[in-house]
Amino acid sequence: GAVVSQHPSRVICKSGTSVKIECRSLDFQATTMFWYRQFPKQSLMLMATSNEGSKATYEQGVEKDKFLINHASLTLSTLTVTSAHPEDSSFYICSARDGPGWGDTQYFGPGTRLTVL
Amino acid sequence: DAKTTQPNSMESNEEEPVHLPCNHSTISGTDYIHWYRQLPSQGPEYVIHGLTSNVNNRMASLAIAEDRKSSTLILHRATLRDAAVYYCILSGAGANSKLTFGKGITLSVRP
Repeated sequence: GAVVSQHPSRVICKSGTSVKIECRSLDFQATTMFWYRQFPKQSLMLMATSNEGSKATYEQGVEKDKFLINHASLTLSTLTVTSAHPEDSSFYICSARDGPGWGDTQYFGPGTRLTVL
Repeated sequence: DAKTTQPNSMESNEEEPVHLPCNHSTISGTDYIHWYRQLPSQGPEYVIHGLTSNVNNRMASLAIAEDRKSSTLILHRATLRDAAVYYCILSGAGANSKLTFGKGITLSVRP
């Protein structure tokens, strides 16, 4: 149980285009989903937290108009990177939580590798 | 969120037990201790978590010091597939809780 999927797993796009990444909880309802970014040789950095039906809460320094998050249902959240540029190239990872519960464990997706040319 | 301190790296031999330490001297009474691991080019994988008592699951054991200022993740028999970055993270409970990833400890397993 507790499986989270992401689609696509890899995307290459031209500078200036927008890219949408989907995150789905397959076997549980996720009250909260998280989006992280990971640059090479670095740790995960939390970008934003989204609750179903609410606006996302962005971490300091993350542009909310550039990284659009929609959490339309209890099993789906999407991250849209608008007007992507080469510096947005990174490994984007989502996670989902079915809490509140004991310890509020997060379950992570396999990640999406974004390369902006 | 309270911080954790882990060694940068550790090596182990296949089929031997591995003890991965984590210090969290500023832990608060409501902080849970989480362990996740990440293989290259994959999302993190939940390993185990606990609050005060030691915990066991099919993947590992978590030994928590009595004062809760440190903990140890125990892999009972390391395999080559256990080579990964292991993150020890403190997180409160509740709707606003979140995970803050540090650098973790890179575990290498020798055949």
